[in-house]
Amino acid sequence: GQQVMQIPQYQHVQEGEDFTTYCNSSTTLSNIQWYKQRPGGHPVFLIQLVKSGEVKKQKRLTFQFGEAKKNSSLHITATQTTDVGTYFCAGDNSGGGADGLTFGKGTHLIIQP
Amino acid sequence: KAGVTQTPRYLIKTRGQQVTLSCSPISGHRSVSWYQQTPGQGLQFLFEYFSETQRNKGNFPGRFSGRQFSNSRSEMNVSTLELGDSALYLCASSLWGGTSRSPGTDTQYFGPGTRLTVL
Repeated sequence: GQQVMQIPQYQHVQEGEDFTTYCNSSTTLSNIQWYKQRPGGHPVFLIQLVKSGEVKKQKRLTFQFGEAKKNSSLHITATQTTDVGTYFCAGDNSGGGADGLTFGKGTHLIIQP
Repeated sequence: KAGVTQTPRYLIKTRGQQVTLSCSPISGHRSVSWYQQTPGQGLQFLFEYFSETQRNKGNFPGRFSGRQFSNSRSEMNVSTLELGDSALYLCASSLWGGTSRSPGTDTQYFGPGTRLTVL
């Protein structure tokens, strides 16, 4: 079945440093979604990327979808304490199978003030 | 607009028992998906319901089942509970879900989850 790998599992940064998490799929994706889960909370949708090579920005967050639609990244510039949480990518393989939306295991962002 | 609600929020059961969890989607949303979240396995897709029909199913044993009612509210049931079933169970609603083959092409709104502990 489809697998979505996400690295790193944990990332410690000093407040103000940049942060990047990477997502790789074993299959070509129709789209990829990113979610953020605060400690003790539930996943909250951030963005969906659909097109090959797509780049989208949300303030300090930059999302990229690879040309082959098998990988994606999320980059946060100048992290703030409010960025703490776990960032998940979720791959959607509409081309076949009944796996539904496959989530990566997430990257836990820990920020040291 | 009210968000996704799940009841109960916390549940403690013993091995061998069964449990039913409930999810009320956002008004107007017709797709409800269920996920199991554990520290070791992360978020795993259980199943998706759309218009009272199970449209997709993840790789879970038959002890896990669900249904959806005409008002789009959904329930999931786990029979013969095992220790490994301890997890946060999340439901997510979306307007249409995805294509007929998979959910997720539409934004998923997650509920707060039900924390199930099996002793």
